[in-house]
Amino acid sequence: GEDVEQSLFLSVREGDSSVINCTYTDSSSTYLYWYKQEPGAGLQLLTYIFSNMDMKQDQRLTVLLNKKDKHLSLRIADTQTGDSAIYFCAESPYNQGGKLIFGQGTELSVKP
Amino acid sequence: DGGITQSPKYLFRKEGQNVTLSCEQNLNHDAMYWYRQDPGQGLRLIYYSQIVNDFQKGDIAEGYSVSREKKESFPLTVTSAQKNPTAFYLCATLAGTAFFGQGTRLTVV
Repeated sequence: GEDVEQSLFLSVREGDSSVINCTYTDSSSTYLYWYKQEPGAGLQLLTYIFSNMDMKQDQRLTVLLNKKDKHLSLRIADTQTGDSAIYFCAESPYNQGGKLIFGQGTELSVKP
Repeated sequence: DGGITQSPKYLFRKEGQNVTLSCEQNLNHDAMYWYRQDPGQGLRLIYYSQIVNDFQKGDIAEGYSVSREKKESFPLTVTSAQKNPTAFYLCATLAGTAFFGQGTRLTVV
């Protein structure tokens, strides 16, 4: 079955690193995604990783993928108050016609 | 500018009424999706359309209806059969990854 799990809340201090974790169930997903949602807004694609990669770095963002454990993480270096938002991971199972399956979202709170 | 426009941003519905949420895109994407967002539950798929004049039910289609008469437009009607319609509704297109509108917050009064 399809299921994407995330913890609901994470609180960090400004300047620290944040690590948001996600587990998924469908190993057929070619890409795995991280989206950011600011209050009252839609979702913006932050980054994605191809399933045959272990790591992808994009400025302050690092995505780690452990295919064996079906575990995905997003690390935000030097977290800023502007990073406060809800972060969603998503998978796109091969046999689902491109549909994205989203986790519940992790609310990141950055304290000054 | 290319993008997805949802309107209105806020919508109030009386019990027993049908309301229609608009979603328009100028990205020339074939696939369009409607999601419902409730706190702590992530996004749940209501309906999706891979091509004009065709659409499929998602995981929570009961109480909703859609049409796809034009590539650019995918309106969602929340009918009186939907017992708990208060939520944030997100429209998206899909081309490799998903692109989202800014959402419509529907409240039943």
